[in-house]
Amino acid sequence: NAGVTQTPKFQVLKTGQSMTLQCAQDMNHEYMSWYRQDPGMGLRLIHYSVGAGITDQGEVPNGYNVSRSTTEDFPLRLLSAAPSQTSVYFCASSYSGRGLREAFFGQGTRLTVV
Amino acid sequence: AQSVAQPEDQVNVAEGNPLTVKCTYSVSGNPYLFWYVQYPNRGLQFLLKYITGDNLVKGSYGFEAEFNKSQTSFHLKKPSALVSDSALYFCAVRDGRGTDKLIFGTGTRLQVFP
Repeated sequence: NAGVTQTPKFQVLKTGQSMTLQCAQDMNHEYMSWYRQDPGMGLRLIHYSVGAGITDQGEVPNGYNVSRSTTEDFPLRLLSAAPSQTSVYFCASSYSGRGLREAFFGQGTRLTVV
Repeated sequence: AQSVAQPEDQVNVAEGNPLTVKCTYSVSGNPYLFWYVQYPNRGLQFLLKYITGDNLVKGSYGFEAEFNKSQTSFHLKKPSALVSDSALYFCAVRDGRGTDKLIFGTGTRLQVFP
């Protein structure tokens, strides 16, 4: 099982550049989300989706866009990269049916904005 | 608003000794609590969860957690620590009923010394 796959693993951007972080899952999970991890701050929710065509903002959405055209994919777009977006980004997915299921995380994308 | 707190940035323990990683929560309604572990340069892995029922929850790799409603705590424990348990541990709570959104603590680094 591939689980949750994120690409790329590492990326360096210049201030003002745009890019898309890819996330794909093969578990047919309805719920997908993006977090950023910063030292001393834990994981903070950027955007999430409860199914194809449905997205919503999390705690720190500014500077990021998402879309969900398929169940499998949930890309995160940085519109104009800023040094404050230097972070490690994690994509996660979980089953949203009856019962409380755990989230599965990707390996992360380490992004540096210079 | 739901929240979790991990009061210790780091916990040091000798191999073979019991370990405890602390977590307290603040929720309205029933708490749905999780523990995740992050090994270096990896994504988060699920350890265990509490929904309802027994206050002692058993999880992966010999870990367990004790739910205490009166103290609003969900401490992670292991009877005998291994050097390979050294990692970053996150406590999380579901952000309200009918959602898969998770709110994470700031993380506790566990260091097990040989």
